[in-house]
Amino acid sequence: DTAVSQTPKYLVTQMGNDKSIKCEQNLGHDTMYWYKQDSKKFLKIMFSYNNKELIINETVPNRFSPKSPDKAHLNLHINSLELGDSAVYFCASSHANTEAFFGQGTRLTVV
Amino acid sequence: AQTVTQSQPEMSVQEAETVTLSCTYDTSENNYYLFWYKQPPSRQMILVIRQEAYKQQNATENRFSVNFQKAAKSFSLKISDSQLGDTAMYFCAFISLSGGSNYKLTFGKGTLLTVNP
Repeated sequence: DTAVSQTPKYLVTQMGNDKSIKCEQNLGHDTMYWYKQDSKKFLKIMFSYNNKELIINETVPNRFSPKSPDKAHLNLHINSLELGDSAVYFCASSHANTEAFFGQGTRLTVV
Repeated sequence: AQTVTQSQPEMSVQEAETVTLSCTYDTSENNYYLFWYKQPPSRQMILVIRQEAYKQQNATENRFSVNFQKAAKSFSLKISDSQLGDTAMYFCAFISLSGGSNYKLTFGKGTLLTVNP
């Protein structure tokens, strides 16, 4: 059983489109995250949710909107996609202040 | 704000040899965890080892061990008996146990390790 699963693994789309990435964890964790990994492999937090409540929004453009329908799910919706949004997006989960377990990543390519 | 610095963008080692990856961090806090994550070409982020700041004993996981120097804010990873499967990007990461910042991992920029046959 996959602990943290996100779909899709690959996403190619045109500029201006709206797209969503879904994430689910079956570890019983109370905290979920979205991280962005850029072309230089740098990992940066985007959002953090604890018990479905938004805790961290790290100066992400408001075209990015996370939604947590329950503690096991954290989806990411992106409006009006731009070329600069191309990156790998990782979902992760943890018990608040311990190690995070990551999904396999979604490689988003905006053309 | 916490920062994590990995000063070695790339390293290489011969199979079966030992290699040490460096990491330093900056924080004013006393309670935190430190981690090393591995990212092979498959892209999956894999936890290698964890160190609690309150523990003086260095963490060990099979061939992987750390040298944690709290006063110096240093957290290096030693890989013994390197294997080809250890080829990956290695990230050092920090998480605070205090206040509102304990809901995010702060990562270094990574060290690309290549194990040569």
